[in-house]
Amino acid sequence: QLQLQESGPGLVKPSETLSLTCTVSGGSISSSGYYWGWIRQPPGKGLEWIGNIYYSGSTYYNPSLKSRVTISVDTSKNQFSLRLSSVTAADTAVYFCARVQLELGYFDDWGQGTLVTVSS
Amino acid sequence: DIQMTQSPSSLSASIGDRVTFTCRASQSISSYLNWYQQKPGKAPKLLIYAASSLQSGVPSGFSGSGVPSRFSGSGAGTDFTLTISSLQPEDFATYYCQQTYSNPVTFGQGTKVEIK
Repeated sequence: QLQLQESGPGLVKPSETLSLTCTVSGGSISSSGYYWGWIRQPPGKGLEWIGNIYYSGSTYYNPSLKSRVTISVDTSKNQFSLRLSSVTAADTAVYFCARVQLELGYFDDWGQGTLVTVSS
Repeated sequence: DIQMTQSPSSLSASIGDRVTFTCRASQSISSYLNWYQQKPGKAPKLLIYAASSLQSGVPSGFSGSGVPSRFSGSGAGTDFTLTISSLQPEDFATYYCQQTYSNPVTFGQGTKVEIK
């Protein structure tokens, strides 16, 4: 069974870079039928799509975050990663990684999520 | 960006009730509409994709036998509905719609279903 697990620091200082990794097990990140994505959810609020990556390295970002976001993939480790630069308190959220169905774009499998707090 | 508006924002219902939620897109999204269920402290779970297709299988981190047939979705263009034919105790949660017609992918603000 496919499993996704987010990992990374739970506390980041303002103006620094948030870095998270999603490790995929039970399946290959190089599967041709899927993207791999990041979504976040501020405490008590709704869901915001951050971006997707294909195993080849092609990326698609939310324009609202594009200037600060980098998503990368490491197929040898079956992992993909998120970097969000110049963070502020507004970036405090639970960050989820997910598998994205290529053709229709829905997120069919999710990690459990990890809370990242931006605070000095 | 395509705006997704869900109504109501919350509702109170009883076990066994038939409940219907609405999701409206700011422009036509064909059938690129998905529904998710989220319980507190958990990741969202895909219920319906492509407006009316019931997700099969059990995603990681969840138990059970997949999405029950009491969930159904309908609609196309700008107006969509999610219906639960007979509300069960495990259905009390927040439900989100999502459009994947164009980037950026966007979600509705959610409908929270509470116990009456």
